[in-house]
Amino acid sequence: EAGVAQSPRYKIIEKRQSVAFWCNPISGHATLYWYQQILGQGPKLLIQFQNNGVVDDSQLPKDRFSAERLKGVDSTLKIQPAKLEDSAVYLCASSSIRATLYGYTFGSGTRLTVV
Amino acid sequence: DAKTTQPTSMDCAEGRAANLPCNHSTISGNEYVYWYRQIHSQGPQYIIHGLKNNETNEMASLIITEDRKSSTLILPHATLRDTAVYYCIVRVGRGSTLGRLYFGRGTQLTVWP
Repeated sequence: EAGVAQSPRYKIIEKRQSVAFWCNPISGHATLYWYQQILGQGPKLLIQFQNNGVVDDSQLPKDRFSAERLKGVDSTLKIQPAKLEDSAVYLCASSSIRATLYGYTFGSGTRLTVV
Repeated sequence: DAKTTQPTSMDCAEGRAANLPCNHSTISGNEYVYWYRQIHSQGPQYIIHGLKNNETNEMASLIITEDRKSSTLILPHATLRDTAVYYCIVRVGRGSTLGRLYFGRGTQLTVWP
């Protein structure tokens, strides 16, 4: 099966600009996650979707970050305006309900650099 | 919120077994132990998980102590491609939080020739 697709692979923006990341999960996977990974740290969960509904966004900085998953398939994560501390790799992951116990599949991520 | 303790780094000779320890002394009865690894510039990859019995798959073996307060991931014959950061995670297997993984800093395993 095809993996989790993310784009772009790399992005460089100036602070206060906006940026959007796109994720296409594995076909049929109802659950989708966005993680933020700062250099030298483990991934940090930002938001969890079940189909097109948000299950948990308690770690999402809602003053500048937003995410949506229209139609319960693809998802976008947006940052507006970006800050220097948002420089990180943004990882998307997905899982099926049946297979959730067996972990889930991550994409390769989008590396964001804010200058 | 990571609830595990792992060494920051380890190394291992190619072809030898790599034994990666993890302490999870506050683990609850319904929490599973998961292991993921992350090779440079890639997303984390699922390796194995277990509740209280030892588990083995094509990638690794997981040994969980009887009191479940610690575990060891074993890569039986490490190769250079096993060089990665290994994350030990405890995770609720049921309920509304099912699916969420909380990562710590993991162990950087370096396999040398």
